[in-house]
Amino acid sequence: AQKVTQAQTEISVVEKEDVTLDCVYETRDTTYYLFWYKQPPSGELVFLIRRNSFDEQNEISGRYSWNFQKSTSSFNFTITASQVVDSAVYFCALSEAWSGNNDMRFGAGTRLTVKP
Amino acid sequence: DAGVTQSPTHLIKTRGQQVTLRCSPKSGHDTVSWYQQALGQGPQFIFQYYEEEERQRGNFPDRFSGHQFPNYSSELNVNALLLGDSALYLCASSPRESGANVLTFGAGSRLTVL
Repeated sequence: AQKVTQAQTEISVVEKEDVTLDCVYETRDTTYYLFWYKQPPSGELVFLIRRNSFDEQNEISGRYSWNFQKSTSSFNFTITASQVVDSAVYFCALSEAWSGNNDMRFGAGTRLTVKP
Repeated sequence: DAGVTQSPTHLIKTRGQQVTLRCSPKSGHDTVSWYQQALGQGPQFIFQYYEEEERQRGNFPDRFSGHQFPNYSSELNVNALLLGDSALYLCASSPRESGANVLTFGAGSRLTVL
């Protein structure tokens, strides 16, 4: 069975600090996809990144970076020089390849508060 | 280009009643998925519709049912509402190409059951 664990329920930082959101997953499949979504107060989940299980290269997009390590089943997300607009709930999610996106399993989310 | 639109945005029902939530997918998308997000939790998969048929279902009772129309829009129906059905109901759409496509989510319908 697939499972996603986000151990950090809430994180509070001051603007310009770097912050890392942790994500650990479990799956029996060898082919799977990992995602990060952002949920601002408006409620709409905003896609940030998708990674497949064969691509372990880290990725950087502006102030965002992702570290994927299959050896530890982790897919951590770092925001560099955080800003107040980064305040939101962030979800890590897993989808096994056989199901496509039919049954995406989300973690419980990490609420990030960035204070000015 | 409009994204995923959902209606109503908020609604209040009482136990035992029935509710219908509506979703219009993003232009170009033909697959619709529904998720339930309880307060403080991550979204949970309810079911997915493609070609007007339910293709896969999560661990939800038969009280939860759906429909997809020829224009790809979709409805989620919940019968015999329970207090525990109070949640944000999210609709997501995607194109049907194989693989784990990126889901585009709507802002949700917040249901409160009293």
